[in-house]
Amino acid sequence: EAQVTQNPRYLITVTGKKLTVTCSQNMNHEYMSWYRQDPGLGLRQIYYSMNVEVTDKGDVPEGYKVSRKEKRNFPLILESPSPNQTSLYFCASSLSRGSSYEQYFGPGTRLTVT
Amino acid sequence: AQKVTQAQTEISVVEKEDVTLDCVYETRDTTYYLFWYKQPPSGELVFLIRRNSFDEQNEISGRYSWNFQKSTSSFNFTITASQVVDSAVYFCALSEARASGRGTLTFGKGTMLLVSP
Repeated sequence: EAQVTQNPRYLITVTGKKLTVTCSQNMNHEYMSWYRQDPGLGLRQIYYSMNVEVTDKGDVPEGYKVSRKEKRNFPLILESPSPNQTSLYFCASSLSRGSSYEQYFGPGTRLTVT
Repeated sequence: AQKVTQAQTEISVVEKEDVTLDCVYETRDTTYYLFWYKQPPSGELVFLIRRNSFDEQNEISGRYSWNFQKSTSSFNFTITASQVVDSAVYFCALSEARASGRGTLTFGKGTMLLVSP
């Protein structure tokens, strides 16, 4: 089954404790991205990746890192989480960055930073 | 810069009523894509439709229909004979179509639809 998976689905952590949210897709997609969803703000893009070893900032990259060492994986790293990073995070992938290709979203990761 | 406005924050209807969710967008691109996603209480994002800016034909899928009007930069979504299962947050989104673009989806803030029995 074609899918985007994220782990963990729920995470409660404390300020400053490094964490990684994993994202994996099994569709051989080149393009992957991360979004965060906050009440009243919709979804905003954090980082995106055109292909292996090619990543770039989205609209709200501060406080986040990403890597793309393999085509299927695109982890989101919070080196020193803060309470304002409490949010619902979505990973997405598509065949390529062009919008003619549908973006597939993962199930979401709900992160709480206390 | 691209922008998507969903002016309706919350809509409450009674089952079997028709409801229209408004979406107005701004873009300088001549070619772009418009999307609607549904987010049920379980939290996942469900893709509903993608529309190319060159295709202004309205689309109907069961109880769902979409009205794309380029002249008013609107892409409205109508649910006919609403059901309780339609209760969700609905997002309208816009993306550039250029192959050299970022591939970013610009989302509206969402409209929460509550359908009561």
